[in-house]
Amino acid sequence: EDQVTQSPEALRLQEGESSSLNCSYTVSGLRGLFWYRQDPGKGPEFLFTLYSAGEEKEKERLKATLTKKESFLHITAPKPEDSATYLCAGLDSSYKLIFGSGTRLLVRP
Amino acid sequence: NAGVTQTPKFQVLKTGQSMTLQCAQDMNHNSMYWYRQDPGMGLRLIYYSASEGTTDKGEVPNGYNVSRLNKREFSLRLESAAPSQTSVYFCASSRDLRETQYFGPGTRLLVL
Repeated sequence: EDQVTQSPEALRLQEGESSSLNCSYTVSGLRGLFWYRQDPGKGPEFLFTLYSAGEEKEKERLKATLTKKESFLHITAPKPEDSATYLCAGLDSSYKLIFGSGTRLLVRP
Repeated sequence: NAGVTQTPKFQVLKTGQSMTLQCAQDMNHNSMYWYRQDPGMGLRLIYYSASEGTTDKGEVPNGYNVSRLNKREFSLRLESAAPSQTSVYFCASSRDLRETQYFGPGTRLLVL
């Protein structure tokens, strides 16, 4: 069965303290790995798509990487405004997105 | 460009009542989706429409029906609401099934 698992469930960082969020996946025929950011009471906001192992994408303080079994979202020198839930999802062979349950990130000033 | 819009934002229903959640997109996307999000669980696909005129079941379709009214609009209907359908419902759209999905702001539904 296709599955996406995110860890940790919650992460507290001090402003400026870099860290990584993990997304491990077992999705047959993976057609893409997506990262979204979700603020409380809002819909998911698209961040990145990765298509093949070794691919990396960056946006401001965020960098997403992909291996054959997992993806990482690296956050460099985070700011309080980076506090949100980060969702990872794999697009399966029938083009359906399989979501993980998310990592809640809190960045303290 | 409003993107994906959903109405209503919040709704309270009694068990057995029916309602329709509305979704519209102005990005000229072909594919549209309905998800539900429950605490501690990932978003789960209820139904999707690959293109105008087609609809298919997702992971959790029981208790729901959908209508792809035209290219812009995709509605989700609960015929007889149950407490287990208390959730946050998100609509999304994409250029086609392979492309990035863009989400609406959600509808919070409470079934008493």
